This record gives sequence, C-alpha cells and structure tokens, in this order.
Amino acid sequence: GESVGLHLPTLSVQEGDNSIINCAYSNSASDYFIWYKQESGKGPQFIIDIRSNMDKRQGQRVTVLLNKTVKHLSLQIAATQPGDSAVYFCAEGYYGGSQGNLIFGKGTKLSVKP
Amino acid sequence: DAGVIQSPRHEVTEMGQEVTLRCKPISGHNSLFWYRQTMMRGLELLIYFNNNVPIDDSGMPEDRFSAKMPNASFSTLKIQPSEPRDSAVYFCASSLERGNQPQHFGDGTRLSIL
Repeated sequence: GESVGLHLPTLSVQEGDNSIINCAYSNSASDYFIWYKQESGKGPQFIIDIRSNMDKRQGQRVTVLLNKTVKHLSLQIAATQPGDSAVYFCAEGYYGGSQGNLIFGKGTKLSVKP
Repeated sequence: DAGVIQSPRHEVTEMGQEVTLRCKPISGHNSLFWYRQTMMRGLELLIYFNNNVPIDDSGMPEDRFSAKMPNASFSTLKIQPSEPRDSAVYFCASSLERGNQPQHFGDGTRLSIL
C-alpha cells in the first residue's frame, strides 16, 4: 500500500514580512527549550534557546517567546529572507535528571516567497 | 571550529549487509546522541551516551542495532543485518553535559537499504 508521510504544517510568508512559528510542548516539567532550523540535506541547526525562568529571549532577527501557563513556545523571525526557508523544530528538555535528553516536535515548514 | 562530523554522508547497500555509521563529536562535548529521521516518524532518538557510557538506549529499534563509544572522540552505530525499513537519515549530535546546553548536529548519513 501507499505509505503516508509526515505532513508538516507549512507557513508561507512574503519576503520582508515577519514570521511566527508556533509550538505546543507536552511536559509541564520541561525547563529548557530550543529552536532548530533544518535545511534540505543538512542536520538541524541550533537557532536560539530559552530557560523556563524567562518569558522572552532575543537573538539576531529572532525572538523566542515562552508561555508556561499554556505550554506554548513561539519563534518570531523578523524581516524574513529566502534563506530562512527551512523546517523549524522546537525541542523541550528537562535537565533535572535526564542528563540532556531532548524531545523534538514534528516541525513546521517555512516557505518564503520572493 | 569543527562541528559534529559524520561519515559516510551517503550509504547504499543491499539488505542483509552490515552497515556502520561513524561520528566524531565536537571536542570537549561529553554527551553524544544518535537520531533517526524519516518522513513517517520524524526525528527519533535512538541512544545517547554521557562520558562514553550509554545512558538510554530505549529508542534502539531492535537487537540488529548497536552503538558504541570507545572514546570521547568517536562513536559508531551499527546495523546488522540491515533491512529496507532501516532506510532513513541518521544524525549524530553532541552537547556539553552541564547545565542547559543545546545539542549540535552533524549533517547526517543518508542510508538506503535495497
């Protein structure tokens, strides 16, 4: 029979616009969160991380927001560029006893239109 | 700085053959992770090591899969015998153990079992 692939949510934005990618995490005990970017043919690349004692953290053109009340994480990309086209993964971790294990989300595909 | 280095980048072999994937983590990192990525299941953790010791191998699918880390700068993932359903991209990642630290990924080995 025909195999069914993992259908990634897709976000399509115009070049120059801001992008917001959302992620719902599963474990209320998670205290560390990371966003990764994966381009075709490459491994996931670290973008930005945030600890649970923070609500917001900014990097270069990227901002991560954390809402622990509803277990929601978002990645905002300012002035989106064609080079931002990729699959974006959120990951959650709990360093209290797992020694570094991360749980990855399914990913969101970002497509930037020139 | 050298990132995580994986070899080979591509491997095509016939079912029943032994496959060995190799990984060199970032120098100074003492946690190493093996992941498998497929369209069907996304990114799955297979096993991770801390200070060369396997900590959690619950993600290893079957006894056909084995992983070793003989020293801090080298790890292997072996499949014997290989089957077509093992076809996937296999990633290795490394991180610093202490505190909340991101994992850094290699560019993966694309494995095709015919």
